[in-house]
Amino acid sequence: EDQVTQSPEALRLQEGESSSLNCSYTVSGLRGLFWYRQDPGKGPEFLFTLYSAGEEKEKERLKATLTKKESFLHITAPKPEDSATYLCAVQASTDSWGKLQFGAGTQVVVTP
Amino acid sequence: GAVVSQHPSRVICKSGTSVKIECRSLDFQATTMFWYRQFPKQSLMLMATSNEGSKATYEQGVEKDKFLINHASLTLSTLTVTSAHPEDSSFYICSARDMERLFFGSGTQLSVL
Repeated sequence: EDQVTQSPEALRLQEGESSSLNCSYTVSGLRGLFWYRQDPGKGPEFLFTLYSAGEEKEKERLKATLTKKESFLHITAPKPEDSATYLCAVQASTDSWGKLQFGAGTQVVVTP
Repeated sequence: GAVVSQHPSRVICKSGTSVKIECRSLDFQATTMFWYRQFPKQSLMLMATSNEGSKATYEQGVEKDKFLINHASLTLSTLTVTSAHPEDSSFYICSARDMERLFFGSGTQLSVL
């Protein structure tokens, strides 16, 4: 059975304190791994898609990496506006495109 | 980036009534849209896949007669929660595919009294 596990559940950071979020996955053939950011009461905002082990993508203070078993989202020198819940999702190659299985998310709070 | 519009953002209804939620892709055509549900402090769970011009595909455990999906055009999918009950109260989110990315609407908070 496909599974997505995110850790930690919650993370409290000081402004400027870099850290990493983990997404471990078990899937029968990976079509893609997605990272989203979700603010309270809002829909997820697309960040990255990773397709193969060794791939890396960056956007401002965020960098996502992928191995065969997990993905990391690195937040470098975070600012308070980076506070959000970060969701990881996988799409299995056996599923139709767009059918994602989400992890429970990591809630990040960045304090000034 | 692509924009997906969802309406309404919040709805409160009485038990037994039906509620319709709209999901529109504003600047692209989406042959496939997806409907998710999210309970507080939990992750998104896929409910169904909406296909333009054909019947929706429902995930296991989701009642197709309760959650009616219509995808009448390439830019619009609707989810109707029929005879809503308090246990249907949740955050409903739609998504649509644009190229190799999946974009989400802003969600609809449904509260059934």
